[in-house]
Amino acid sequence: GIQVEQSPPDLILQEGANSTLRCNFSDSVNNLQWFHQNPWGQLINLFYIPSGTKQNGRLSATTVATERYSLLYISSSQTTDSGVYFCAIAYNTDKLIFGTGTRLQVFP
Amino acid sequence: NAGVMQNPRHLVRRRGQEARLRCSPMKGHSHVYWYRQLPEEGLKFMVYLQKENIIDESGMPKERFSAEFPKEGPSILRIQQVVRGDSAAYFCASSPDPRRGHNYEQYFGPGTRLTVT
Repeated sequence: GIQVEQSPPDLILQEGANSTLRCNFSDSVNNLQWFHQNPWGQLINLFYIPSGTKQNGRLSATTVATERYSLLYISSSQTTDSGVYFCAIAYNTDKLIFGTGTRLQVFP
Repeated sequence: NAGVMQNPRHLVRRRGQEARLRCSPMKGHSHVYWYRQLPEEGLKFMVYLQKENIIDESGMPKERFSAEFPKEGPSILRIQQVVRGDSAAYFCASSPDPRRGHNYEQYFGPGTRLTVT
């Protein structure tokens, strides 16, 4: 079946630093979404990005569908960015397959 | 425009009892998905429904679990005779019909945290 891999598994940053999270997938997709799960367990939609580039404030994402990867950039990180970042994809079906996540901790 | 609503947010059940989790999709959305997140793990697909129709239940355990999305009212995920291993966060997501407009984005609710004692 289709595989989704995220890296790095853990990331520790000081406030103000920038970071790049990566999502690799094994086949073509018609849906790719990035989520942030905060320390209270709430799942927040960040981007719907099956291809191309999008920006929202300090966050941006790029998906290169032909090379089967997506990147999430976090600039000037804040403590409220802490949590787990998930990449999820769907391929010719509607069910999302989630990666194992990147756990981010931002310290003041 | 209200988001996806789930209730209850927290549910405690004793082993052997039944758990009923409810999900109201976003206005205008006709498709509902249920996912389960075990402690310290990612989310796993369980079932995908349209009104009065199960589209894909390949992720549902074969026994004790059922789901419905009636013509009127919320989608229900029902777990009979709960066991400790059912303790998890259950998330519901909704989308418009993916085959219209080719927008496949799913919007997630806040989740129901089920604890089985």
